[in-house]
Order: sequence, then structure tokens, then C-alpha cells
Amino acid sequence: GAGVSQSPRYKVTKRGQDVALRCDPISGHVSLYWYRQALGQGPEFLTYFNYEAQQDKSGLPNDRFSAERPEGSISTLTIQRTEQRDSAMYRCASSPYSNQPQHFGDGTRLSIL
Amino acid sequence: RKEVEQDPGPFNVPEGATVAFNCTYSNSASQSFFWYRQDCRKEPKLLMSVYSSGNEDGRFTAQLNRASQYISLLIRDSKLSDSATYLCVALTGNQFYFGTGTSLTVIP
Repeated sequence: GAGVSQSPRYKVTKRGQDVALRCDPISGHVSLYWYRQALGQGPEFLTYFNYEAQQDKSGLPNDRFSAERPEGSISTLTIQRTEQRDSAMYRCASSPYSNQPQHFGDGTRLSIL
Repeated sequence: RKEVEQDPGPFNVPEGATVAFNCTYSNSASQSFFWYRQDCRKEPKLLMSVYSSGNEDGRFTAQLNRASQYISLLIRDSKLSDSATYLCVALTGNQFYFGTGTSLTVIP
């Protein structure tokens, strides 16, 4: 597609469930980043990939969070055993390479009940 | 200390006014800087990159002062459509650090 696509747009789930958030970057973009954005805050780095390799996962809050990009295109951010504090907007961004400005998707609004 | 700090505002200015936002960054190794615009409930969008020599794009001017580690954005002749949150971004290594954003409302 023309832009970064994220799905689902909204996800409501009960505490303790696992969720998988999907990101389809701009075609040909090497770098893919995941962010979490709280209301009134800027995006907070979670992890990023160049091609299929996860380059940095230092921003993942704990081991319940993981991400993959197995074929160097679509990426999935998985949160296991969700907790209410995981509720936030999760944003994906891609760029031609890692030091270039990023293009963001619409985000997935995650609500944990 | 946060990597990037901005005054959250809000800035409320009349149409036609000039408004300036400043942003400071803590890591002298940061190599690139950007301003993003984010409308309510929308994704951040790149407004402009910031170069050491300063750069201008229409009504928008960005400046970088490496010695003082701050970045500025000047908006001239404000339009109603400029109302948004402006995010300052520093690239350090391969990580992008975003400020909390400065809220601007342009009033008719």
C-alpha cells in the first residue's frame, strides 16, 4: 500500500489475554519501528528492525512484550498476559533506512479491561 | 533526564501571529533532528528536518543550535489549520527520541 498500515485499529480485551498487533510497512522500507504513545505524550520507542533482524529491543517494557518481522516486511508486536497498564496507542513507523525520517501508521488503540 | 524536552504549552495565538517553539536535547551525540506535526487522534507526520544551517519551508523555519543543544521552530502568519501538536525529535544512533509535544491553537 501507499502508507503504513496497522491492524486492528482498535482492540479491547480482558486482562490476561494475549494480543497480536500487526504492522505492514511501506513497500521497500528497510526499517520498521514500534512505539507506544500515551495520551499527551510523544511516541516512546519499543523496538526496531532492519529487514528481518531485530536491532534493538531495549524499549520493550518487560518480557511479556515481543516482536518479530520474519520476512523483513510485515511485523507483529505481541503482548502476553495483558495487564491494564498495557492500555495505550501502539504505533508502527517505517523508513527507507534507520537514520531517515519515519512514516507512521494510524496506530492500534489497545484497551485492557 | 529526558532525551528531548519541550514546553507542552498550550500556545493560543491569533491568526496571523508569529509563534516560536523551542526544544532541548540532552545527548550531544544526537546527529539529526526533526519536527513532526500531530493532529488530534492522528498519527505524527513529518513537518521538516532541521539542519545546522537552518532551513525554511514556506511559513516554517527550523533552527539548530548544537552548542546550546536546542532546536527551534518558527511559524509565521499562523493559519487556523496550523492548530496541532508539534513534536520535536532527536535521532541518536538509530533511535528516535520524541518530545512530549507542544500544543498550538490558532484562534480566529
